[in-house]
Amino acid sequence: SYVLTQPPSVSVAPGKTAEITCGTNNIGDMNVHWYQQKPGQAPVLVIYDDKDRPSGIPERFSGSNSANTATLTITRVEAGDEADYYCQVLDTNSHHRVFGGGTKLTVL
Amino acid sequence: QVQLVESGGGVVQPGRSLRLSCAVSAFTFSNFPLHWVRQAPGKGLDWVAVISHDENYSSFADSVKGRFTVSRDSSKNTLYLQMNSLRPEDTAVYYCAKDREGGSFEYWGRGTLVTVSS
Repeated sequence: SYVLTQPPSVSVAPGKTAEITCGTNNIGDMNVHWYQQKPGQAPVLVIYDDKDRPSGIPERFSGSNSANTATLTITRVEAGDEADYYCQVLDTNSHHRVFGGGTKLTVL
Repeated sequence: QVQLVESGGGVVQPGRSLRLSCAVSAFTFSNFPLHWVRQAPGKGLDWVAVISHDENYSSFADSVKGRFTVSRDSSKNTLYLQMNSLRPEDTAVYYCAKDREGGSFEYWGRGTLVTVSS
C-alpha cells in the first residue's frame, strides 16, 4: 500500500501563494485528489484528477502532479483558506483509497 | 442538492457492536459506489470501506477487515456499516462519501461520532 507524505504544516501571508506537496514513488502515474477540511466540518473536494476543480471551487486552487510529487497550489491566499488539506489516491491493486497525513495551512 | 446524512453513532463498550446508517438523497443511489471514511479525534482521514453500486463488491481497510461489514438498501437509499468487536482505536467520526469516477470522494456527509470506551 502507498504512503503519501505531506508536510505537517505550511504558513503563508495573506495574498501570497501556498504550495502543499504530497509525495510517494511514481505518484505522477496516479490520479491525485485534494480535500480541504475546516475545523468541525466534513472534508470538501477541491481538486480531482490532479488538476480539475469541482464546480464552486475558486480558480485560485490548482493542482499539478509529476514524478514523485503532487502539489496543491493556492494563489492569493485568504484567511478563509486556513484549513487542513489532504491528498488522496486510489491504490489500483487493492482498490483501497489512501490519504496523506494532512497539512495544516496557517494564514499569518 | 446531494445529501448524505449519517446516524447511529454513540458510546459503546469495547467488544460490542454498532450499526451506522447513511441516508442518501438527490442522486441515483444505485448508480454509484459508496464509502466509509473515519477520522479519529485530532487525527487525519482514514479510509474504511467501499461497496459497489450493485453490492457485488466490497473492500475494507486492513484495520477493520473481518470485524466490519458494509451493505446498502436501494429501497431506502441507505448505506450501512456494521461494526463488530469494536476497539478503543475505532473511536472516530465516521463519514459516508459518494464515489466519483477516478477514485475521489465527490460528496461527504457531516459524520457521526463513535466512541468506544468502557
